[in-house]
Amino acid sequence: NAGVMQNPRHLVRRRGQEARLRCSPVKGHSHVYWYRQLPEEGLKFMVYLQKENIIDESGMPKERFSAEFPKEGPSILRIQQVVRGDSAAYFCASADSSGNTIYFGEGSWLTVV
Amino acid sequence: GDSVTQMEGPVTLSEEAFLTINCTYTATGYPSLFWYVQYPGEGLQLLLKATKADDKGSNKGFEATYRKETTSFHLEKGSVQVSDSAVYFCALTEMKTSYDKVIFGPGTSLSVIP
Repeated sequence: NAGVMQNPRHLVRRRGQEARLRCSPVKGHSHVYWYRQLPEEGLKFMVYLQKENIIDESGMPKERFSAEFPKEGPSILRIQQVVRGDSAAYFCASADSSGNTIYFGEGSWLTVV
Repeated sequence: GDSVTQMEGPVTLSEEAFLTINCTYTATGYPSLFWYVQYPGEGLQLLLKATKADDKGSNKGFEATYRKETTSFHLEKGSVQVSDSAVYFCALTEMKTSYDKVIFGPGTSLSVIP
């Protein structure tokens, strides 16, 4: 399966802990997107990254959230000091340089207790 | 910015009924249009897409036609099955200068009862 791989699929964190979600894009893809789906809601754009660069972070909360896509390795979405409102499904997507088709991963479900 | 509006759910249908889920969009450019499906507890799957006016996307008995004049991309299926129960998201790609961004509608939950 050469699709977008996300892990962990399910993550439970206590309030105040850190959550790290990883995304390995389709092989050869250099563009990564992160989306968040709150319970009973649609998907909201968070951030768009190319290798080593954040291009558009207009959907990222101003505090506690950060994302990176290093030259080597997966993209990481990091949430510090999690709160109950961070409980959601986080989806990663990737595209090649043409951007014609965007492929989504199966999501990571974060539960904050 | 660009946006997508869908009919509100939940939608409940009997098996073999006809399905229509309305979707309209606003866009400054000429977006591609998509329908994604999310089965309970699972991730997103691309159901179908259309990239230009009058294109018809189709898959698994579902169809949607890109109507530029009405800015619509309604999803239809002639005879639904219980296994079609899921949340359906209409989406478009908002074209930035150097990349595309997928904008999703709020989703429509479909329940098909035997």
